[in-house]
Amino acid sequence: RKEVEQDPGPFNVPEGATVAFNCTYSNSASQSFFWYRQDCRKEPKLLMSVYSSGNEDGRFTAQLNRASQYISLLIRDSKLSDSATYLCVVKGDKIIFGKGTRLHILP
Amino acid sequence: NAGVTQTPKFQVLKTGQSMTLQCAQDMNHEYMSWYRQDPGMGLRLIHYSVGAGITDQGEVPNGYNVSRSTTEDFPLRLLSAAPSQTSVYFCASSKRGQSSYNEQFFGPGTRLTVL
Repeated sequence: RKEVEQDPGPFNVPEGATVAFNCTYSNSASQSFFWYRQDCRKEPKLLMSVYSSGNEDGRFTAQLNRASQYISLLIRDSKLSDSATYLCVVKGDKIIFGKGTRLHILP
Repeated sequence: NAGVTQTPKFQVLKTGQSMTLQCAQDMNHEYMSWYRQDPGMGLRLIHYSVGAGITDQGEVPNGYNVSRSTTEDFPLRLLSAAPSQTSVYFCASSKRGQSSYNEQFFGPGTRLTVL
């Protein structure tokens, strides 16, 4: 298994729909997990941290499943402005960025 | 605050040329790092620094040098540019070193093409 793996997409989703994607990681000793958002030709920016009990920030919900070694991001009521690439970040003894999942919200 | 700034935004080099990518931050962050981002490869760590005077290698350090003489600045030097170094380079900073994770703030990137 690769250290951090994401489905590259693209996910093409109609506006208003709910979309979810996962990120798997190989190091069971990983300690911290995050989702970053990267717009086209821009720098990555932190979207949210992922806590063991799961956490929500508005329309975004992040969850961690340590047993199966994956994190997930759920976006409800998707907006056109959600179109971006979503990078998962896993910290164990080093920080590893996933290659990203591209999301296109369709009008 | 300007955050993390990078110059230049775009650069074209010929094989064998050297140059320095500049990175500066005004947030008094101890930790700074350089990444390259290539299509299908994600972000890969080149070099990082946990404070002034301290640097270390990341995942892909070959062909690059760094120095950290001040807290604010973390330049990346390409010694002899090669086409394989064509990429987008991001500088990032955060409050603490890698013992715990704090949000990394990224600069806008430098798009480098080596012919």
